[in-house]
Amino acid sequence: AQSVTQPDIHITVSEGASLELRCNYSYGATPYLFWYVQSPGQGLQLLLKYFSGDTLVQGIKGFEAEFKRSQSSFNLRKPSVHWSDAAEYFCAVGLNRDDKIIFGKGTRLHILP
Amino acid sequence: DGGITQSPKYLFRKEGQNVTLSCEQNLNHDAMYWYRQDPGQGLRLIYYSQIVNDFQKGDIAEGYSVSREKKESFPLTVTSAQKNPTAFYLCASSYLGTNYGYTFGSGTRLTVV
Repeated sequence: AQSVTQPDIHITVSEGASLELRCNYSYGATPYLFWYVQSPGQGLQLLLKYFSGDTLVQGIKGFEAEFKRSQSSFNLRKPSVHWSDAAEYFCAVGLNRDDKIIFGKGTRLHILP
Repeated sequence: DGGITQSPKYLFRKEGQNVTLSCEQNLNHDAMYWYRQDPGQGLRLIYYSQIVNDFQKGDIAEGYSVSREKKESFPLTVTSAQKNPTAFYLCASSYLGTNYGYTFGSGTRLTVV
């Protein structure tokens, strides 16, 4: 069955440090891949998505993600985090164009001043 | 501006009462979804609809009901049969045939008192 795993429930980084949030999926073919961000008490906002082509995708707010087929991974990165990046981040997977999206359980990012 | 609107933002309900959460979108999206979010559990799909007058159960449909009489609207009723209704509820919408990702509303926090 299709699944999404975010191994880290919480991550703490210092402001200005680099960030990598991990995401692994389970599926035989290349799925549609997404990263969303959620601020407390708010809805989810799409950061970036991957369908095909270049495996390094750029998103909003300075985020990028790299699709690695051999590792079934789609990790989110940012070179230098800002205090405003503190939020919960969700990786998500869709099998095809009309399928439901399956969400990981999220990684909460904390920023140290 | 196009978007998806959930109302109310906060809702209090007495045990044994039904309550309806509103979700309206003006994005001309085909599909609409309801998710429940609890701390540490990510997003769990309650119901979804890909076309007017049709909807399917998600992973945790028991104790909930929906309708889709208009393309723009997908209200969720939390019935008295839902044993633990206190949660944050998110509505989302999307086009079909693209899997560009979902657009989310800002959520409704339901508390049973």
